[in-house]
Amino acid sequence: ETGVTQSPTHLIKTRGQQVTLRCSSQSGHNTVSWYQQALGQGPQFIFQYYREEENGRGNFPPRFSGLQFPNYSSELNVNALELDDSALYLCASSLQRGEEQFFGPGTRLTVL
Amino acid sequence: QKEVEQDPGPLSVPEGAIVSLNCTYSNSAFQYFMWYRQYSRKGPELLMYTYSSGNKEDGRFTAQVDKSSKYISLFIRDSQPSDSATYLCAMNSGNTPLVFGKGTRLSVIA
Repeated sequence: ETGVTQSPTHLIKTRGQQVTLRCSSQSGHNTVSWYQQALGQGPQFIFQYYREEENGRGNFPPRFSGLQFPNYSSELNVNALELDDSALYLCASSLQRGEEQFFGPGTRLTVL
Repeated sequence: QKEVEQDPGPLSVPEGAIVSLNCTYSNSAFQYFMWYRQYSRKGPELLMYTYSSGNKEDGRFTAQVDKSSKYISLFIRDSQPSDSATYLCAMNSGNTPLVFGKGTRLSVIA
């Protein structure tokens, strides 16, 4: 069974640019959640997708947007990047909403 | 007051010691409690998943939940250098977002 995968592993962008991060959920999992983890902090919830619909959103501005595809893979898009967006972005999938979440390895984003 | 409080450490113990990691929380609606292990520059790995109060054991790991005190613990017996990592507690009330602590950095010295 393949676990959660994320791409790319690392990314360097400059302020004002846009970025797309990708996540493939674990086989059979229909729910994907995205988190931002700043250095030395716990992950912070960005949003969750369930069967291609947004199913909850944390305290992040609208320039953070997402998408889930029919195969339950997902994208996180961030527009107008700011220096504070530098973090590890984590994707987690679960079999159903409200069940255990399994994380991918993350994408480390650096904004210069 | 943060919803979930966790001492960031660092915590350093000798190999073979019993490690105790703890979190407190303020939201009485939380019912599901998790512990994740995170190695440097990696994603969190689910170690323990418990519902409501009580104990759960898995190998060298024991998770305890005391909802009356809003306090959860993770015990690691016979700690090994490979246990050196950051341990994150997380919790939610079912179909709600996970709320994490800041994580405790643990070093097990051989």
